[in-house]
Amino acid sequence: EPEVTQTPSHQVTQMGQEVILRCVPISNHLYFYWYRQILGQKVEFLVSFYNNEISEKSEIFDDQFSVERPDGSNFTLKIRSTKLEDSAMYFCASRSTAGGQQFFGPGTRLTVL
Amino acid sequence: GDSVTQMEGPVTLSEEAFLTINCTYTATGYPSLFWYVQYPGEGLQLLLKATKADDKGSNKGFEATYRKETTSFHLEKGSVQVSDSAVYFCALVQADTGRRALTFGSGTRLQVQP
Repeated sequence: EPEVTQTPSHQVTQMGQEVILRCVPISNHLYFYWYRQILGQKVEFLVSFYNNEISEKSEIFDDQFSVERPDGSNFTLKIRSTKLEDSAMYFCASRSTAGGQQFFGPGTRLTVL
Repeated sequence: GDSVTQMEGPVTLSEEAFLTINCTYTATGYPSLFWYVQYPGEGLQLLLKATKADDKGSNKGFEATYRKETTSFHLEKGSVQVSDSAVYFCALVQADTGRRALTFGSGTRLQVQP
């Protein structure tokens, strides 16, 4: 069964460093998302992406964040200068059609020291 | 804005016990409601959904009914198994605004003991 994959499973970085979280969505999907969950808190929407551009973003998704689909398979989330409060589990999701189900990856745990 | 509130966990049950995980929501309009499950080391998987009032979603013995009058979508299962141990997330999406980003609750960890 096709699935969304994410790498790495755990990333440890120093405050101020750049990190890139990678996702491989399901191959025929067109809509892509990033969510995050700070430990003990809600899963929060960050950004959605369709047709090679951001279609919606939350107030969390500030200038430190960017997303890219550099080729036909990867979907990345970049944090330019990480802060302690960026420590969280980051989930990627994709779906095939406008009303379809979102399929989630296993998440990347980001720890900023 | 929209929000989802779930009961805090962990919920610890013995095998074959009855399960209820409470979920209430605040939203304008007529959202669609979902339960997602996350097994250890895996991603969020859709467990069941309901798209309008009084709809009942069901899957793998789990059920939840969309109650608009109480703005609730409580998850139930009559007899849990050890394999049901996971984190359960209630979520909604505004179906009529074109905004397809999910709004999640904080998750409830279920631990089932043999």
